[in-house]
Amino acid sequence: DIQMTQSPSTLSASVGDRVTITCRASQGISKWLAWYQQKPGKPPKLLIYTASSLESGVPSRFSGSGSGTEFTLTISSLQPDDSATYYCQQFNRYPLTFGGGTKLEIK
Amino acid sequence: EVQLLESGGGLVQPGGSLRLSCAASGFTFSSYAVSWVRQAPGKGLEWVSGISADGGTTYYADSVRGRFTISRDNSKDALFLQMNSLRVEDTAVYFCAKAKQDGYNYEPFDSWGQGTLVTVSS
Repeated sequence: DIQMTQSPSTLSASVGDRVTITCRASQGISKWLAWYQQKPGKPPKLLIYTASSLESGVPSRFSGSGSGTEFTLTISSLQPDDSATYYCQQFNRYPLTFGGGTKLEIK
Repeated sequence: EVQLLESGGGLVQPGGSLRLSCAASGFTFSSYAVSWVRQAPGKGLEWVSGISADGGTTYYADSVRGRFTISRDNSKDALFLQMNSLRVEDTAVYFCAKAKQDGYNYEPFDSWGQGTLVTVSS
């Protein structure tokens, strides 16, 4: 199975900050990576797919990059509504696997 | 508007069985792969099982293989998860999720249901 490792597990930042979350795959997955945002009591929401494609309706302050085994999710200017947990997921091979999550708090 | 509505969750004893359903609407259900993803209380996301658009190919996580069975009824726009030999560690909210692009099994999930809670406890 492909293991997905996210860092950091928790993150505290201020409104307006640039925030970066990292996801590493235990083996190469090309560009087959997605990022999700989840708020308490809600299902996940797709933000980024194929590593860098922005899902329709997602604010442009969100961006993704990377390929192979190293990926990043960047929020260019943090907003209060961005407080949530973020997950990466590989869809290169079954079983599909998620990272452990990064909880982002607003200072 | 795409909608996915899960049902069938509840309290069950260890070793028991439960059948989850997911009713789909707002898209051509028979054209998309779908999956079940679960989330234990306070924990992260775990993909459980997936099924191709035509139902001919199924996938399972090692943690549930041999105990859970995924199926679909494209005539009724419905997805199912038969869960047998349930364990305490199967306690979670179970979400159904739709593949982003039709016709492909290897896709991210662009639509999710609200989830149904399964509690396995004596």
